[in-house]
Amino acid sequence: AQSVTQLGSHVSVSEGALVLLRCNYSSSVPPYLFWYVQYPNQGLQLLLKYTSAATLVKGINGFEAEFKKSETSFHLTKPSAHMSDAAEYFCAVSDGTGGFKTIFGAGTRLFVKA
Amino acid sequence: DTGVSQNPRHKITKRGQNVTFRCDPISEHNRLYWYRQTLGQGPEFLTYFQNEAQLEKSRLLSDRFSAERPKGSFSTLEIQRTEQGDSAMYLCASSSLVGSSNTEAFFGQGTRLTVV
Repeated sequence: AQSVTQLGSHVSVSEGALVLLRCNYSSSVPPYLFWYVQYPNQGLQLLLKYTSAATLVKGINGFEAEFKKSETSFHLTKPSAHMSDAAEYFCAVSDGTGGFKTIFGAGTRLFVKA
Repeated sequence: DTGVSQNPRHKITKRGQNVTFRCDPISEHNRLYWYRQTLGQGPEFLTYFQNEAQLEKSRLLSDRFSAERPKGSFSTLEIQRTEQGDSAMYLCASSSLVGSSNTEAFFGQGTRLTVV
């Protein structure tokens, strides 16, 4: 069975500071990993995905994540936070079977202080 | 390609009433998924279709819930005899078996259900 653990339900950073959102996964097969962002009362928008190619994945809006198999981690980073980054972020895993059924973490809400 | 479309966006219903939601996936996407998201939680998988066949159902999908995709295009999710615990955002997603879209699911904006 697959699972995702997001460390920290809330993260607060100052505008311009580094953003680091932590995600650890469990999967019995090589995983596909995703980060999604969700704004209030909106659906999910894909930020980036790892599909067994490069371990450092670059996404939209300046975000990137690094797949570390030895640590079973897929942390999301952004060098400089912007006010518009304030949202809920979800890490997710899929094994590529079951029609890309995706298992989500509980989410991390990012607050950005001016 | 207009993305995954869900209707209605919001639904308020009285406890005990039946509700039905509709999802129109991205055209040509073979697979369609339903998820439920409660406040402060990540989305939870409910069920998925490949074309018109419902291939998997979560244990979260009680017998009051039924999903269909009769022609392999749009899908409906019906909840009978709604309960307050059904209040949630219901998300639909679709994916393709081939092409560049075969490694991710694309999500709609969701239908927010409030049972009063």
